[in-house]
Amino acid sequence: NAGVTQTPKFRVLKTGQSMTLLCAQDMNHEYMYWYRQDPGMGLRLIHYSVGEGTTAKGEVPDGYNVSRLKKQNFLLGLESAAPSQTSVYFCASSYPTSRQETQYFGPGTRLLVL
Amino acid sequence: AQSVAQPEDQVNVAEGNPLTVKCTYSVSGNPYLFWYVQYPNRGLQFLLKYITGDNLVKGSYGFEAEFNKSQTSFHLKKPSALVSDSALYFCAVRDLLGGNTPLVFGKGTRLSVIA
Repeated sequence: NAGVTQTPKFRVLKTGQSMTLLCAQDMNHEYMYWYRQDPGMGLRLIHYSVGEGTTAKGEVPDGYNVSRLKKQNFLLGLESAAPSQTSVYFCASSYPTSRQETQYFGPGTRLLVL
Repeated sequence: AQSVAQPEDQVNVAEGNPLTVKCTYSVSGNPYLFWYVQYPNRGLQFLLKYITGDNLVKGSYGFEAEFNKSQTSFHLKKPSALVSDSALYFCAVRDLLGGNTPLVFGKGTRLSVIA
């Protein structure tokens, strides 16, 4: 099993450009998450999904959109990138068992917005 | 609302000495508590979790954590630190009464083990 994979690993964007980050998991997990990690801020949840076709907002959703068309994939979109979105983005997935699930993380995508 | 605090940004410890990384939490109901570790340029890795039962939880790489309900704490410990334990450690909590709400992570504590 590959676990949780993220594409791309690194990207440089200019302000106003758009891009999509792809997260894929092969563990048949129901729940998937997108986080951003910034120095001194820890992990902040952007959006999450509790199943195929469903999404929900997290702590910092503004400027991002997500889609979960297939159970194994969770896409994070930036429609018009801003320098404040420079960050490391992590995807995670979990299979809830009475809400006791352990989250499994991808290796991260480093995004630089100029 | 659920929240978690890691009061120390940085913890320094000499190799071979015991280490403690502190975590306190706040939930309305009973907590599910987790510790994760992040090595440089990597994603987070699960270390251990407390769901119910024994207050002392043992996890990967010789780490353990003690759940203390009266102090609302879940400190991470290891009897003898290794240089390879140097990493960023995150505590996380979920409220049993929280429905589908995701984990809430602390801001992380950087552990530096000095040879």
